[in-house]
Amino acid sequence: NAGVTQTPKFQVLKTGQSMTLQCAQDMNHEYMSWYRQDPGMGLRLIHYSVGAGITDQGEVPNGYNVSRSTTEDFPLRLLSAAPSQTSVYFCASSPWGEKYGYTFGSGTRLTVV
Amino acid sequence: GQQVMQIPQYQHVQEGEDFTTYCNSSTTLSNIQWYKQRPGGHPVFLIQLVKSGEVKKQKRLTFQFGEAKKNSSLHITATQTTDVGTYFCAANTGNQFYFGTGTSLTVIP
Repeated sequence: NAGVTQTPKFQVLKTGQSMTLQCAQDMNHEYMSWYRQDPGMGLRLIHYSVGAGITDQGEVPNGYNVSRSTTEDFPLRLLSAAPSQTSVYFCASSPWGEKYGYTFGSGTRLTVV
Repeated sequence: GQQVMQIPQYQHVQEGEDFTTYCNSSTTLSNIQWYKQRPGGHPVFLIQLVKSGEVKKQKRLTFQFGEAKKNSSLHITATQTTDVGTYFCAANTGNQFYFGTGTSLTVIP
């Protein structure tokens, strides 16, 4: 099993550009989520999904869109990149239910200039 | 949203010393999870605590969940250089998992 795969690993964008961060998992996990990590602020939840066709907002959803057309994939779209979106982005998944821990992808380091 | 406060933010210890990080919530938690993130890496799930007063051990790591289920701690005995990293607690509210700000551990050889 590959686990949770994120692409790309690094990306530089210009302000105003759009892009999609990819996340795929092969563990048949129902729950998937996106976090951003900034120094001193821990991991903040952007969007999450409890299953195909179902998504919801987290703490910091502004400027981001998600969709979940399949169980495996959960892409994160930046609509119009801003320097404030410079961060490390992690995708995570888990089986449905409170007793399971998350499996994280290796992250995407995004810089917006 | 759920507030999960974690202290200290940074901790430097000599190799062989003990280390403890604390996680506190203003509300009662249904469960709490702990993760470790090595420098440049991604968070890795360590353990979940569910019961009031629960204590779990993983080798030199001891995890506790408070009696009121509002706080938790991670204690490392006799730290090693391999323990370097940031330790996060996380707690869920409904479908959302909130992470503490983490404690960055530096171990001085």
